[in-house]
Amino acid sequence: QLQLQESGPGLVKPSETLSLTCTVSGGSISTDYYYWGWIRQSPGKGLEWIGNIFYRGRTNYNPSLMSRVTISVDTSKNQFSLKLTSVTAIDTAIYYCARRDKSSSNWFDPWGQGTLVTVSS
Amino acid sequence: QSVLTQPPSVSGAPGQRITISCTGSSSNIGAGHDVHWYQQLPGTAPKLVIFDNKKRPSGVPDRFSGSKSGTSASLAITGLRAEDEADYYCQSYDSSLSGVVFGGGTKLTVL
Repeated sequence: QLQLQESGPGLVKPSETLSLTCTVSGGSISTDYYYWGWIRQSPGKGLEWIGNIFYRGRTNYNPSLMSRVTISVDTSKNQFSLKLTSVTAIDTAIYYCARRDKSSSNWFDPWGQGTLVTVSS
Repeated sequence: QSVLTQPPSVSGAPGQRITISCTGSSSNIGAGHDVHWYQQLPGTAPKLVIFDNKKRPSGVPDRFSGSKSGTSASLAITGLRAEDEADYYCQSYDSSLSGVVFGGGTKLTVL
């Protein structure tokens, strides 16, 4: 079945760029039926949508993060990536990647296991 | 605070029925956007348990059900079991914000 796996540094210094990759296995990222998204969860807090990408490259971002976020896709590797610039301590969170339904429904399934990124010097 | 409002906590004894509410506004749930529910067990990623307001993904017990009316939605769990103890989140889309929105989450405790 479809599986997603996040990877990347677990520690990022303040003001630097957070970079994560999501590898999709068990299915192709090049599908007309789904977007591929990033969601984060601050320690002990709720879920926050970061953004998503279609395999052809079209993106949608959370307006509150749009100025700092870039999501890209590499269909040859069946991967998509997240870059978040100028990070601060409030960006410390578990970052999840997930498949997002492309219809009007917008649900996320499945999710990766998540990766904790800590912003600290 | 979150765009969608959920109670911070609910509890129930084994075998009982509980409901978790998710209150939105005219730009999200009230605008006709679907509501989805996720279960997050301790230390794990969220798992979709209800989509499109009331549909259950394959493998989710029929003890879980969803409903939507006006600017609110609800998740109901009947025949409560210890394994249902988790955080539950609702999710929808907001036309004014042009993006996906989540509720703040509800911690379900099975007494």
